Amino acid sequence: EAGVTQSPTHLIKTRGQQATLRCSPISGHTSVYWYQQALGLGLQFLLWYDEGEERNRGNFPPRFSGRQFPNYSSELNVNALELEDSALYLCASSLAGQGETQYFGPGTRLLVL
Amino acid sequence: EDQVTQSPEALRLQEGESSSLNCSYTVSGLRGLFWYRQDPGKGPEFLFTLYSAGEEKEKERLKATLTKKESFLHITAPKPEDSATYLCAVRSYNTDKLIFGTGTRLQVFP
Repeated sequence: EAGVTQSPTHLIKTRGQQATLRCSPISGHTSVYWYQQALGLGLQFLLWYDEGEERNRGNFPPRFSGRQFPNYSSELNVNALELEDSALYLCASSLAGQGETQYFGPGTRLLVL
Repeated sequence: EDQVTQSPEALRLQEGESSSLNCSYTVSGLRGLFWYRQDPGKGPEFLFTLYSAGEEKEKERLKATLTKKESFLHITAPKPEDSATYLCAVRSYNTDKLIFGTGTRLQVFP
């Protein structure tokens, strides 16, 4: 069974540009989570989508946004990129219901120059 | 506020030298405690989920245990391929997000 997939694997942007990251969950999983892992820092929760709705978001500015599509895949958009946005962005998926184990994808490495 | 602290930050072991990693947590109603392994530049790989104090889970050379305040990941007779960063995370009844610790970077030398 295929795991969580993310694209692209690497992304290079300049300050002020927009970045779009994509995630496909494990088949049967309806919840998708986004995390940011900056160099030397722990994973920080960004967003949680379930059944197409945003259920929760972390302490990030509104320029971090996303959506979930009817097939449960998800997109993370980062507008007005700043240098500090350079990080590994990880997507995870789980079955519906709180407390369910989250399975992570390989991540998208975003570099902002 | 929910919080997770992992220790030590880094651990160097000789192959075969058993040890334990600690994860201390403060959470308002534990919904689950999760252990992941992360190799450099890759996504975390799920290891264990623990839900209640006294629970234990095992997988190959790894064993995870849980008390009301902390969890331990015991590594028995580690091998070089066990080298990775081990992450602990908790989920509470109040929030729906995983709160991660900063991890323990384990290096096992032959």
